[in-house]
Amino acid sequence: DAKTTQPPSMDCAEGRAANLPCNHSTISGNEYVYWYRQIHSQGPQYIIHGLKNNETNEMASLIITEDRKSSTLILPHATLRDTAVYYCIAPYNAGGTSYGKLTFGQGTILTVHP
Amino acid sequence: GAGVSQSPSNKVTEKGKDVELRCDPISGHTALYWYRQSLGQGLEFLIYFQGNSAPDKSGLPSDRFSAERTGGSVSTLTIQRTQQEDSAVYLCASSRGWETQYFGPGTRLLVL
Repeated sequence: DAKTTQPPSMDCAEGRAANLPCNHSTISGNEYVYWYRQIHSQGPQYIIHGLKNNETNEMASLIITEDRKSSTLILPHATLRDTAVYYCIAPYNAGGTSYGKLTFGQGTILTVHP
Repeated sequence: GAGVSQSPSNKVTEKGKDVELRCDPISGHTALYWYRQSLGQGLEFLIYFQGNSAPDKSGLPSDRFSAERTGGSVSTLTIQRTQQEDSAVYLCASSRGWETQYFGPGTRLLVL
């Protein structure tokens, strides 16, 4: 897996956009960037993923830089229920024995406050 | 549709006992993964199954841990002679081929 680096924690006011950065400078050309989150005492929840182009779904937007060395997850209107640990992952994707498994780092603890 | 389900949701056992944890993947998903998360730690990969291929057991911490997947669907993770350091949340995920993994709620194991 490509190494990813995230800030350990961030705060966001309710109703504002939360922008969570991730550095993945060693990512290779065919490795996707995945974002998951884990709300306290629950299993990880898939949010979004992308390769080169920016992506948007009902939960979030993913902005990937042109050189693919970093990305930003955007929660457009954060709510208190978005408080969670957010993980940025770039899983190995070339058919080797590590193919498929996800390596979770420490992630970013996002706290949304009223 | 139904997501990944796991049972039991909580398990308390005594040191030295064997435990079995069950995972029901999303219907049609060919890949199944086991992870564990110790208190305050990140997720640790244990094992995955992909179709009829030999499972990747590279993450199993010791020979006390084993897993099987019957009929390409349900999976059971077995921990023999449990130790206190086995206490953790055991998470199962499934995916269609190599696509996005979807996680279950986990089984919280406490070894006394």
